[in-house]
This record gives sequence, structure tokens and C-alpha cells, in this order.
Amino acid sequence: NAGVMQNPRHLVRRRGQEARLRCSPMKGHSHVYWYRQLPEEGLKFMVYLQKENIIDESGMPKERFSAEFPKEGPSILRIQQVVRGDSAAYFCASSQGANSNEQYFGPGTRLTVT
Amino acid sequence: KNEVEQSPQNLTAQEGEFITINCSYSVGISALHWLQQHPGGGIVSLFMLSSGKKKHGRLIATINIQEKHSSLHITASHPRDSAVYICAVKTSGSRLTFGEGTQLTVNP
Repeated sequence: NAGVMQNPRHLVRRRGQEARLRCSPMKGHSHVYWYRQLPEEGLKFMVYLQKENIIDESGMPKERFSAEFPKEGPSILRIQQVVRGDSAAYFCASSQGANSNEQYFGPGTRLTVT
Repeated sequence: KNEVEQSPQNLTAQEGEFITINCSYSVGISALHWLQQHPGGGIVSLFMLSSGKKKHGRLIATINIQEKHSSLHITASHPRDSAVYICAVKTSGSRLTFGEGTQLTVNP
């Protein structure tokens, strides 16, 4: 049973470009969470999704950021018109259920904006 | 004040020492996680607990719900335990709120 997979592991974008980060949850998991870790800072919640639904996006910046988890395929975190402040490690986690289930983390995508 | 506070921020120990990392939180929670983040950046979930105590190998995690406090203990520490240890609490819904982490260095 493969763990949570994220790709790419490293992503370099120039200011103004778009970044797409992908997360494939563990087999049998239908809940996905995205977290961001800015340099020298702790992890912060961004968004929680179930298949085809955004459940909680209260941690997501209001502009330029969007997330989806389609019926088929991985969850995508999309950042439009990236700026240097978006440089961070983006972690995805998945769980089988919601409140009572452990979250398993992916290896992260390290985004660098030049 | 952060909802989740960890102490100490940095900890240096000699191989073999018993280590304790503390986590205090100020909100109602449904569960608490202890995570380990290695220098390469990957995050491993060590424990999820909502009451009492759990043990896995040399690691022990305890939680006191009334006092809103949890501890992570490492017995017979080893240089390979060097990592950042992060406490995270599950509050309303399923989102996790994280502490700032404790950087542990175990010297041989």
C-alpha cells in the first residue's frame, strides 16, 4: 500500500508563472489536506477536501490559490501568478475518514519562486 | 499567544539520554498528533492520541486532557533521533493546528 505521493518534489517557477502541485492520497483515503510551511516557520493549514468537495478552505489565501480533488485523479493545489513569498514547502496529508482518523503526510513539494 | 506551544524550542542531548518534549494547547481538541520532520523535510506521524499513553519502541507519548498538555519522551536517545518534533492538535472539523516544533540534536 503506497503512501501519500506528491509531485513534483521540487518545483522552480519564475514570478508570474503558475504552479501546480499534485497529491495522490493513500489507497482507500478520500480525505485530503494541504499544509504550507514557509521558510523558518511552522506548518499552517490551507484547505481540506473530500472527493469533489471543498470542506474547509479557511486557511487558503483569498487570491491566486485554488484546490480541487476530482472524482478521478490526484488532488491539485494551484497557485496562479506566483510571487517570491509563495516559496515554501507544501505538504499534503490524507485520511480514511474525518474526525477520528490519523492523517498521513506526503513528502512535500518544495516550491521556489525566482 | 499560539494555540499550541512547544518547549523547548531547541534541545541538545548526548546519546543515551532520556528526552522529554512538551506541548501545551489552549483549545478544545479531539486528538493530538506528534510528528517527526527530518532534515530532508519529510514528515512522519509518530502518534495520534486522545487520552492516556502510547508507546512505540523507544518513544512514549502521554496526554492529560484536563491540563491540556502532552509530552513526548525518547528513551536511550540516539543520533538518528535528531529531527524536528512537532505537536499538532485536531480542533473543530479535521484541520490540524501545529506547534512551532522542537529541534532535537543528539550527539554521539
